[in-house]
Amino acid sequence: AQSVAQPEDQVNVAEGNPLTVKCTYSVSGNPYLFWYVQYPNRGLQFLLKYITGDNLVKGSYGFEAEFNKSQTSFHLKKPSALVSDSALYFCAVRDPTTVINDYKLSFGAGTTVTVRA
Amino acid sequence: SAVISQKPSRDICQRGTSLTIQCQVDSQVTMMFWYRQQPGQSLTLIATANQGSEATYESGFVIDKFPISRPNLTFSTLTVSNMSPEDSSIYLCSVEEARQFFGPGTRLTVL
Repeated sequence: AQSVAQPEDQVNVAEGNPLTVKCTYSVSGNPYLFWYVQYPNRGLQFLLKYITGDNLVKGSYGFEAEFNKSQTSFHLKKPSALVSDSALYFCAVRDPTTVINDYKLSFGAGTTVTVRA
Repeated sequence: SAVISQKPSRDICQRGTSLTIQCQVDSQVTMMFWYRQQPGQSLTLIATANQGSEATYESGFVIDKFPISRPNLTFSTLTVSNMSPEDSSIYLCSVEEARQFFGPGTRLTVL
């Protein structure tokens, strides 16, 4: 079975400060990992993904995430947060080695990020 | 990247009625998915809809309640049948093209 955990329901930071949104995963094989963002009354937008290769993945809007296999984590980071980054962030995982779960994403519970001016 | 549209964007329905949600993609895709996002919750996969075969439902979801059609490679529908207030959710379709692209969602409120 595949699953992700986002241990923080909410993250609050001041504009200009670093932003980190935590995610840990559980899969039987090597994971495919994703971050999505959901703005109010809008669908999910893709931020970045890790498939293989460099553990540091750069994505949209200045976000990046670091894959850490030993800690089974894939935390999302942004060096300097903007008020416009306030949204709901979802981590998702897929186990590509299991045919039954092929292409299915399992989402975390989501983390609400609030960036104050 | 795939562009996905959904109709309706939102609806308010009476208990016991059914609503069909449409999902249109601007390119041909093999795999389409339907998700439910209940208020304040994460996304839960309802089913996988592949053209030319029956939809595959996840645990807790059944065809009688959520019938799905996939008549071609650019279109799918999800019907929410015999609705109750517990069905009030956002329903999203997505497609797989190296990663999943999501539609804007259909916000359903059942009274």
